Amino acid sequence: DQQVKQNSPSLSVQEGRISILNCDYTNSMFDYFLWYKKYPAEGPTFLISISSIKDKNEDGRFTVFLNKSAKHLSLHIVPSQPGDSAVYFCAASDGGSSNTGKLIFGQGTTLQVKP
Amino acid sequence: NAGVMQNPRHLVRRRGQEARLRCSPMKGHSHVYWYRQLPEEGLKFMVYLQKENIIDESGMPKERFSAEFPKEGPSILRIQQVVRGDSAAYFCASSPRNAGGNQPQHFGDGTRLSIL
Repeated sequence: DQQVKQNSPSLSVQEGRISILNCDYTNSMFDYFLWYKKYPAEGPTFLISISSIKDKNEDGRFTVFLNKSAKHLSLHIVPSQPGDSAVYFCAASDGGSSNTGKLIFGQGTTLQVKP
Repeated sequence: NAGVMQNPRHLVRRRGQEARLRCSPMKGHSHVYWYRQLPEEGLKFMVYLQKENIIDESGMPKERFSAEFPKEGPSILRIQQVVRGDSAAYFCASSPRNAGGNQPQHFGDGTRLSIL
């Protein structure tokens, strides 16, 4: 039962172009969404988040878009840089009655930015 | 660096032994989460603790696994009688309060557990 899905295992883009990473979810109770970046042998690093009451949040080169009706969110990175090459995880916060804040992660998308 | 500290970074155990993984949260954080990542998969929630309390252990196997977060000292994830399937990366995350209040969790670099 995969409640958060990242259907593209990998993505390759040219330096300077836009990277778009996608994420779909099934649980309409999710109220908080996050993107994490992970390098090999390191822990996930928080990038950007969005509350379900918004449809867009921007932080520098990173923008997250949320389409609640489609249960879809995306992360845009522009311009992409070689240092952005990493695995990107989408995560959603369980907004159910327990409201413990536990995160449900997608499988990850490996982004490669070519110089 | 006052980030989330996990140790050891790598742990090798033989089948049937015990594994103890430690996590010290960020300064000022009193909420700890443990996640497990199997190869080629995303992170899976295991347990959520506050000081001296287990709040949600819905993701933790019922047998052999236990977790604690004592009043003093780090949080401990303990796996008894390890089996090959326990081989994974175990990540700890902390937040200043219940992350249901929309605070991002901050992760340590994980413990990579290998079972021989």
